[in-house]
Amino acid sequence: GAGVSQTPSNKVTEKGKYVELRCDPISGHTALYWYRQSLGQGPEFLIYFQGTGAADDSGLPNDRFFAVRPEGSVSTLKIQRTERGDSAVYLCASSIRDTTRNEQFFGPGTRLTVL
Amino acid sequence: AQKITQTQPGMFVQEKEAVTLDCTYDTSDQSYGLFWYKQPSSGEMIFLIYQGSYDEQNATEGRYSLNFQKARKSANLVISASQLGDSAMYFCAMREGPNFGNEKLTFGTGTRLTIIP
Repeated sequence: GAGVSQTPSNKVTEKGKYVELRCDPISGHTALYWYRQSLGQGPEFLIYFQGTGAADDSGLPNDRFFAVRPEGSVSTLKIQRTERGDSAVYLCASSIRDTTRNEQFFGPGTRLTVL
Repeated sequence: AQKITQTQPGMFVQEKEAVTLDCTYDTSDQSYGLFWYKQPSSGEMIFLIYQGSYDEQNATEGRYSLNFQKARKSANLVISASQLGDSAMYFCAMREGPNFGNEKLTFGTGTRLTIIP
C-alpha cells in the first residue's frame, strides 16, 4: 500500500517568507508526527496529532511554527517569517497505534532551504 | 545528559561480517521502548526493530537483533551477515513512558555504516 507522502520534496524560500509543508499519512493511521532533521543530526520531535487535535506540541521551537490536521488525515506544517536557521529536512510520520511497539512510519521528508 | 547516545559516528565493515552498532540511553521511566531506524541516502527512515523495557527476550527481526542490557541501559543493534545494501545511517531512538502515552521519539545522532565489498 501507499506509504507516507510529503510535498514538496524540496522548498527554497527567502528569509521572512511563509511556507507550508504537507504530509499525507498512511490511510487509517490515526497518529501523525512531525520531526525536523538538521544536517548531521537525528530527527527532533516537533508535534504529534491524535486525530484532529495536537496531543503534544512541546517540540515546536517558537510561535512561528504551527501545524494543523483539520480532518484527521492530511497535516500541514506552517512556518511564518522563515529564518535561515529553519533550513532542515522536515519529516512526517504516522502510526496506527494498535500494537505495543506502535512503530512510526516515516515519509521521505521535505528539504527546506531558507536563503 | 543526552537521552540517547551513539558513540560511533562512522563504521566500515567487510561484506558478510557481523556488525554491532552501539546505543546507550538515559531515562528514569520504568516503561519505555527502544527503536532502531535505518536511513539510506534517499532520506526515508525505515523501522528495523523494537525492544520494550519489559520484554525479557532480546528482539530479533531477520538479520537484525537487539542486544538489550537493561542494567547497563544499552540497546545495541547487531546486523548479521552484512550486505552492501546495509550501507546507511542508523539511528537509535527511545519512547519514554507507557506505550500509548507519550508518543514522541527521541533520536541519537546516528552511526554511518559503510559495507566494503
